[in-house]
Amino acid sequence: NAGVTQTPKFQVLKTGQSMTLQCAQDMNHNSMYWYRQDPGMGLRLIYYSASEGTTDKGEVPNGYNVSRLNKREFSLRLESAAPSQTSVYFCASSEGRQVGNEQYFGPGTRLTVT
Amino acid sequence: AQSVTQPDIHITVSEGASLELRCNYSYGATPYLFWYVQSPGQGLQLLLKYFSGDTLVQGIKGFEAEFKRSQSSFNLRKPAGHWSDAAEYLCAVAPRYNNNDMRFGAGTRLTVKP
Repeated sequence: NAGVTQTPKFQVLKTGQSMTLQCAQDMNHNSMYWYRQDPGMGLRLIYYSASEGTTDKGEVPNGYNVSRLNKREFSLRLESAAPSQTSVYFCASSEGRQVGNEQYFGPGTRLTVT
Repeated sequence: AQSVTQPDIHITVSEGASLELRCNYSYGATPYLFWYVQSPGQGLQLLLKYFSGDTLVQGIKGFEAEFKRSQSSFNLRKPAGHWSDAAEYLCAVAPRYNNNDMRFGAGTRLTVKP
């Protein structure tokens, strides 16, 4: 099992460019999440998908869109990148219906917007 | 407002000495509580979690945490630190009414001196 995989690992964008971060999980999990991690701020939830076909905003959704393509895949799109979106992005998944809902994380994507 | 606080940005201990990392939360009701560890350039690994029951929780790598309702705290401890414990430690909480909405503290960086 690969667990949670993310592509790409690194990306540099110019302001105004768009891109999509890809995430896939092979654990048959129902729920998937996107976070960003900035120095001194921990991880902040951008969007999540509690189950296939649903998506909900998290703490910091502005400037992002998501698509739950199928049960395995959950993508994050930046339509017009801004320097403030320079961050490390983590995808996670969880079974979703169990008590506590432990999340499993991917290795992250380091994004720089110049 | 709901919040998670890790008061210590950086802690240094000597190898073999005990260590304690603090976590406080502000939620209307007791949330689900987690500690994750993040090694440099890596994703997050779950150390332990508290849902209910015994307030002293054992985790992996010899770590334990104690939930104290009266202090709204969930502090992480280890009797004897090891050089391999050097990493970033993140406390996380999720409300019981929506366990998808996980919030993280800013993290504590642990250094272990030889």
